[in-house]
Amino acid sequence: QKEVEQNSGPLSVPEGAIASLNCTYSDRGSQSFFWYRQYSGKSPELIMFIYSNGDKEDGRFTAQLNKASQYVSLLIRDSQPSDSATYLCALGSNDYKLSFGAGTTVTVRA
Amino acid sequence: NAGVTQTPKFQVLKTGQSMTLQCAQDMNHNSMYWYRQDPGMGLRLIYYSASEGTTDKGEVPNGYNVSRLNKREFSLRLESAAPSQTSVYFCASSDLGSNQPQHFGDGTRLSIL
Repeated sequence: QKEVEQNSGPLSVPEGAIASLNCTYSDRGSQSFFWYRQYSGKSPELIMFIYSNGDKEDGRFTAQLNKASQYVSLLIRDSQPSDSATYLCALGSNDYKLSFGAGTTVTVRA
Repeated sequence: NAGVTQTPKFQVLKTGQSMTLQCAQDMNHNSMYWYRQDPGMGLRLIYYSASEGTTDKGEVPNGYNVSRLNKREFSLRLESAAPSQTSVYFCASSDLGSNQPQHFGDGTRLSIL
């Protein structure tokens, strides 16, 4: 079983600040990395994916991947109350399956 | 856009009863998945179907069966429900090929009394 570790939180940030979420993994064969957002009582929603080392930006979200150190992170800039949710890290390899972390709960306080 | 549709959305069963959870996708995806999500446990894969005509066990398959009815539909059956199967069940689909993102349905909230 591939290990995917996330700090469960809760991570509390003030509105307008940067929220930084980290995910570490054990399988060096992992090739694809995804961040999902899950609001309470709702289903996971894909917000970012990254395949190569470095940074990938999409609006207020930036995903950072470092395969040598086996971590992937998500930065949320200018955090809004609507960003309050649980963020799931997932990784894939050559077996059609994704392995999910347990998630980090983010609370943005006004 | 419907995406991934799951039925029912809520269900209460008694121990020992059977039921089938239905999932259909309209994105022409080849691969489909069933997960369960329990508090503090994250998403755990029950079964998956990489392509039409194939099914494989995931991390927690015991007590479940699946049927890939056609390219669009993938059902999950509980033959004899147990309280330990109380959970939220999600169906997901993705394009064929490894490393593809998965898209989730709204979930089925199942309680076994």
